[in-house]
Amino acid sequence: SAVISQKPSRDICQRGTSLTIQCQVDSQVTMMFWYRQQPGQSLTLIATANQGSEATYESGFVIDKFPISRPNLTFSTLTVSNMSPEDSSIYLCSVANTWTGGDEQYFGPGTRLTVT
Amino acid sequence: GDSVTQMEGPVTLSEEAFLTINCTYTATGYPSLFWYVQYPGEGLQLLLKATKADDKGSNKGFEATYRKETTSFHLEKGSVQVSDSAVYFCALSEAYSGAGSYQLTFGKGTKLSVIP
Repeated sequence: SAVISQKPSRDICQRGTSLTIQCQVDSQVTMMFWYRQQPGQSLTLIATANQGSEATYESGFVIDKFPISRPNLTFSTLTVSNMSPEDSSIYLCSVANTWTGGDEQYFGPGTRLTVT
Repeated sequence: GDSVTQMEGPVTLSEEAFLTINCTYTATGYPSLFWYVQYPGEGLQLLLKATKADDKGSNKGFEATYRKETTSFHLEKGSVQVSDSAVYFCALSEAYSGAGSYQLTFGKGTKLSVIP
């Protein structure tokens, strides 16, 4: 399985600021995703990061709030913009590789964000 | 739409006890089913998967059987250890079932605590 790293691992930010989270994979993958896990909750898909085109957002998430980049097959970023305390969550990236024929996703270690 | 229902936690067991975490699902097609585990302070790890009816996924002493007739994928382990303390998530994907979406639908998670 792919090895996935995220930076930063955690951060404390002031409301109104923005934070960019990086996700790096050690091999090329076809699909990358961003999830949010609010405290004590399950995972909610924010968007699918598409290489070379705009991300596909799920209902309730918009590009202005969560801009996503995916410049190549091993890297993606998620920005949490104009943060409020309600954005305090763990943000996880995951990958799936359709080249292998599998449909499982592998997750990074997560970025724990606290907004004060 | 798709959904996954897990038994409510938390679950507290003594070491060497038998573990069952119930999971049932609703899907439009024939999904793949997964169990993920999240250890404290970490991201999600794929524990096991099954892709078709009557398949049994197994890993690290954990097992789950894909039961199409009862739309269930219950997680079991014969003898739990303190190191199994974590949150367990049941999930499904319809990537190869006609719906074509790689989105994972997660249950709410079940927190397991194993005491010596």
